[in-house]
Amino acid sequence: AQSVTQLGSHVSVSEGALVLLRCNYSSSVPPYLFWYVQYPNQGLQLLLKYTSAATLVKGINGFEAEFKKSETSFHLTKPSAHMSDAAEYFCANNAGNMLTFGGGTRLMVKP
Amino acid sequence: DTAVSQTPKYLVTQMGNDKSIKCEQNLGHDTMYWYKQDSKKFLKIMFSYNNKELIINETVPNRFSPKSPDKAHLNLHINSLELGDSAVYFCASSQSPTGNTEAFFGQGTRLTVV
Repeated sequence: AQSVTQLGSHVSVSEGALVLLRCNYSSSVPPYLFWYVQYPNQGLQLLLKYTSAATLVKGINGFEAEFKKSETSFHLTKPSAHMSDAAEYFCANNAGNMLTFGGGTRLMVKP
Repeated sequence: DTAVSQTPKYLVTQMGNDKSIKCEQNLGHDTMYWYKQDSKKFLKIMFSYNNKELIINETVPNRFSPKSPDKAHLNLHINSLELGDSAVYFCASSQSPTGNTEAFFGQGTRLTVV
């Protein structure tokens, strides 16, 4: 069975501070991992995806994620938070013809 | 030009009614999905179609019936609506169902059953 766990349903950072959103996965087959962002009343937009070509993946809006097989993790980071980054973030794994999502992390950015 | 479009965006209806949500994608993708997002933002797959064939049917009540008239459309019909059906329903599409293929999502349909 596949599962995705996002530690911390809410994360609050100050503008300009480091953003770290955690994602751990459980998969019996090689994972295909994604990070999506959802702004209020919007659909999901892809931030980045792990393709096995590189363990450090760069995405849009300055976000990046590092795949660590030994830790079964795919944490999302951004060096400096911007107010516009406030949104819901979802980690997902495709291991069985469908995306299995984590519970989501709401990122709040304080001025 | 919207890639994945759903209609309506908002739907308020009474218990017991039957309603449909329509979804269309203009990306030329072979695979389409319906996801349900509950009040706690949790996203769960409901159905997946590949080349108009149903490939995933998660534990969803029989009152929910997807219909794919062609590869570009996947509609969701719901019979005898219940209060617990209130949620946001997302349609999505991808080039294939497997691997690191990105899924593109519609804007969602917020269904409220009163």
